[in-house]
Amino acid sequence: DTGVSQDPRHKITKRGQNVTFRCDPISEHNRLYWYRQTLGQGPEFLTYFQNEAQLEKSRLLSDRFSAERPKGSFSTLEIQRTEQGDSAMYLCASSLAQGSGYTFGSGTRLTVV
Amino acid sequence: KNEVEQSPQNLTAQEGEFITINCSYSVGISALHWLQQHPGGGIVSLFMLSSGKKKHGRLIATINIQEKHSSLHITASHPRDSAVYICAVKGGNQFYFGTGTSLTVIP
Repeated sequence: DTGVSQDPRHKITKRGQNVTFRCDPISEHNRLYWYRQTLGQGPEFLTYFQNEAQLEKSRLLSDRFSAERPKGSFSTLEIQRTEQGDSAMYLCASSLAQGSGYTFGSGTRLTVV
Repeated sequence: KNEVEQSPQNLTAQEGEFITINCSYSVGISALHWLQQHPGGGIVSLFMLSSGKKKHGRLIATINIQEKHSSLHITASHPRDSAVYICAVKGGNQFYFGTGTSLTVIP
C-alpha cells in the first residue's frame, strides 16, 4: 500500500481521556497536514509539517492538541482531556512539495462519549 | 463568510445526466483542488488546477482565475459517482475547504 494510512480508523473514547492518532504519509512526501472535519462541514486546517518541523498551527489547535513528526516520517496527533466537541473525522494528507499533488488518508473518526 | 463557497449543497440526478458543481473563492490561491469524499470518510483528490481545464474520464474541471471560480462537471453520471464533492483552495501553506456538494445519482 503506497497511500497515506491512518490508524485507527475509528476511536470511541470517554470524555476526559487522552487519545493519539497516527498518520503514515507516502514515504517520499516531506509535507504532512492534519485536518479536522465535523459533520456536514468541509475539513478545517489544523497543522502542517515540513519534514520534522511544525511550520504552521491553526488557532483551532488548542493547548489540548499536540502534533509531532519526530523523524520526518510518520506523525501523531494527540488530544488530551477529550471533550464531546472533539468528535470529528481527523484527516491527514501528504505532499512532495508545494504545488504538487496531495494524497489524503482515509481519516480517523473520533467519537467522544 | 467562508473563503470557499460551493453550490449546490445537495444535488440529485438521474443516471446519465450532465452534472455541474460550482465553487467560488475569495482568497488568493496557488491551486484549487476538487476532492471526492465517500460515506466512509476517505478523500480522493480528483484534480489540482491552477489555470484552464483538466479532464479525466467523465470528469472535467475548469478554473477562471480572474473570476475566482471553478466548476466540476460530470458527464454521463452514474450511481457510483454518488459522493460528496469538495472544493479546496490552497492559499499560503494551508487549504480552505468548501462545505461540499452531496451528489446522489439515481439509477
